[in-house]
Amino acid sequence: DTAVSQTPKYLVTQMGNDKSIKCEQNLGHDTMYWYKQDSKKFLKIMFSYNNKELIINETVPNRFSPKSPDKAHLNLHINSLELGDSAVYFCASSQRPSEKETQYFGPGTRLLVL
Amino acid sequence: GENVEQHPSTLSVQEGDSAVIKCTYSDSASNYFPWYKQELGKRPQLIIDIRSNVGEKKDQRIAVTLNKTAKHFSLHITETQPEDSAVYFCAPGSGTYKYIFGTGTRLKVLA
Repeated sequence: DTAVSQTPKYLVTQMGNDKSIKCEQNLGHDTMYWYKQDSKKFLKIMFSYNNKELIINETVPNRFSPKSPDKAHLNLHINSLELGDSAVYFCASSQRPSEKETQYFGPGTRLLVL
Repeated sequence: GENVEQHPSTLSVQEGDSAVIKCTYSDSASNYFPWYKQELGKRPQLIIDIRSNVGEKKDQRIAVTLNKTAKHFSLHITETQPEDSAVYFCAPGSGTYKYIFGTGTRLKVLA
């Protein structure tokens, strides 16, 4: 039983292309997140969603557009990919922060922009 | 903005020794103090957490201690084993939807 899943696991693409990453959680959580982990292992929050609504957008370029069709899914679409977008992208979910804040991470999507 | 720092950034210990990692934060509203472990090529996973009304929590070989006045909390690992080698992150929370992860500490346990 996979709690938080992401596809694809690996993504290699050319600069300027558009790509999407999908995330699904079967934990019944209300809240989902996207994180970016760079080559130095810094984990930075990009977006937080609660019950399909965007709550946090951490000054991410608008080439990144998250979409939550329902509270179990949070997808990330990236337009006009740049070299600096190369990183590992993690999706995560949790119960509402006011209830329990443990975050459950997906396996990550390794994006390489050439 | 909020700052979350970890020290040291890298730590090498001999198998069987203890390891301590410290997390310093600036948001005085923080009330939830977790530690995550990320093994090479894997996802971060929670290993222990504590709430602000508790000063210390222990789970077998790992423990977390909190000093809310000084705004820091620490991860203690005793009797370290090679499988403890990983990157460890703190991520203090304040009941909002924004989490700032610490800068990470790479722990190497030498056999």
